[in-house]
Amino acid sequence: QVHLVQSGAEVKKPGASVKVSCKASGYTFTRYEINWVRQATGQGLEWMGWMNPNSGNTGYAQKFQGRVTITRNTSISTVYMELSSLRSEDTAMYYCARGPDTARFDYWGQGSLVTVSS
Amino acid sequence: QSVLTQPPSASGTPGQRVTISCSGSSSNIGSNTVNWYKQVPGTAPKLLIYSNNQRPSGVPDRFSGSKSGTSASLAISGLQSEDEADYYCAAWDDSLNAYVVFGGGTKLTVL
Repeated sequence: QVHLVQSGAEVKKPGASVKVSCKASGYTFTRYEINWVRQATGQGLEWMGWMNPNSGNTGYAQKFQGRVTITRNTSISTVYMELSSLRSEDTAMYYCARGPDTARFDYWGQGSLVTVSS
Repeated sequence: QSVLTQPPSASGTPGQRVTISCSGSSSNIGSNTVNWYKQVPGTAPKLLIYSNNQRPSGVPDRFSGSKSGTSASLAISGLQSEDEADYYCAAWDDSLNAYVVFGGGTKLTVL
């Protein structure tokens, strides 16, 4: 069965960077895109970007352009999302999700809570 | 302010049929398929409907989706207590900054 397992919670200071991992199993890693979606407490879902693990191609929401970088390590079926210049508004649960099609996310990771606080 | 517009709340009694709307524009719903997600607080979202009206394996046929023009709807028939959750619509947006857009979410309460 398909599983996406994310790294644990992080606490960061404003201005720092955070790198969240998403390890895939149960399917051919390079066949499906991985997307990143975040959710602040009590708020809705916000898409951040995607990666094609086969080609390495990426796409980012304009809001995060210049601050977010999505990479992968195909040897361990893992995708990473790094967000830099953190501010308090970046405090949120960050999810990775497998995407067989645009905006169609059929499996989700359990989420990684990132807290930005001085 | 979400690109896709959903009512913030909806409610119904057990056994009732409820619908949740999702309004967009020509660059998103008008030209791309709509997907729906269910999220129970404290858990990750779950795909409920994809490609406007397709149900993934395991999703009961009480859930159905439709799309017309720049709007879409999620219908839940035979409402059950476990349907109480937040529901989100999502679509690709073909505007200059191509990206995935979500609705703001609808909190469904089963009375």
